[in-house]
Amino acid sequence: DVVMTQTPLSSPVTLGQPASISCRSSQSLVYSDRNTYLSWLQQRPGQPPRLLIYKVSNRLSGVPDRFSGSGAGTDFTLKISRVEAEDVGVYYCMQTTHFPFTFGPGTKVDIK
Amino acid sequence: EVQLVESGGGLVQPGGSLRLSCAASGFTFSDQYMDWVRQVPGRGLEWVGRIRSKTGKYSTDYAASVKGRFSLSRDDSKKLVYLQMNSLTTEDTAIYYCATDLAAGSYWGQGTLVTVSS
Repeated sequence: DVVMTQTPLSSPVTLGQPASISCRSSQSLVYSDRNTYLSWLQQRPGQPPRLLIYKVSNRLSGVPDRFSGSGAGTDFTLKISRVEAEDVGVYYCMQTTHFPFTFGPGTKVDIK
Repeated sequence: EVQLVESGGGLVQPGGSLRLSCAASGFTFSDQYMDWVRQVPGRGLEWVGRIRSKTGKYSTDYAASVKGRFSLSRDDSKKLVYLQMNSLTTEDTAIYYCATDLAAGSYWGQGTLVTVSS
């Protein structure tokens, strides 16, 4: 199985400041169709997960543009340009290139 | 607006069975692959399985932890997807979410809690 790791596991941030989460996969996530199936999800406290970004850098409709994704191969990054109070929660990376689909352990983002 | 509503969760004894349903609306259900993911409260996410659309011959894939015990099916006319869970163990206790194709811009339901306990 593809192992997904995330750093940091906890990220206290100041409102209005940027935040960055790294995700690394144990093998390349480039699929035979040349797409890279790496997604980012947000889970606010008490809420179900919500997809933010898919195929590395595509924001789902309605996701604020302060969220951006980048990366290639095995190394990926989620950036929040200016953290807002509603961004508090746990962020997961997820790969859907290889079966079984696997998730990172999650990064908890909270306000300092 | 895309909506997914899971139902069927509850308390079941070890060795028992349960069938979860996911009702879909707001998109062309018959074209969509559907996935199930579970989460032990307070813990991480685990993919459970996938059922493809008619063009994918309704084929399925499962996580090793549930293969042979869980099965997926769908009724495109009713816009429903089902997760049949048999031989349940305490390790299956979790919130179960259905989602549209996880490999694309997926949408998730609110989840339904399954508790396996004697």
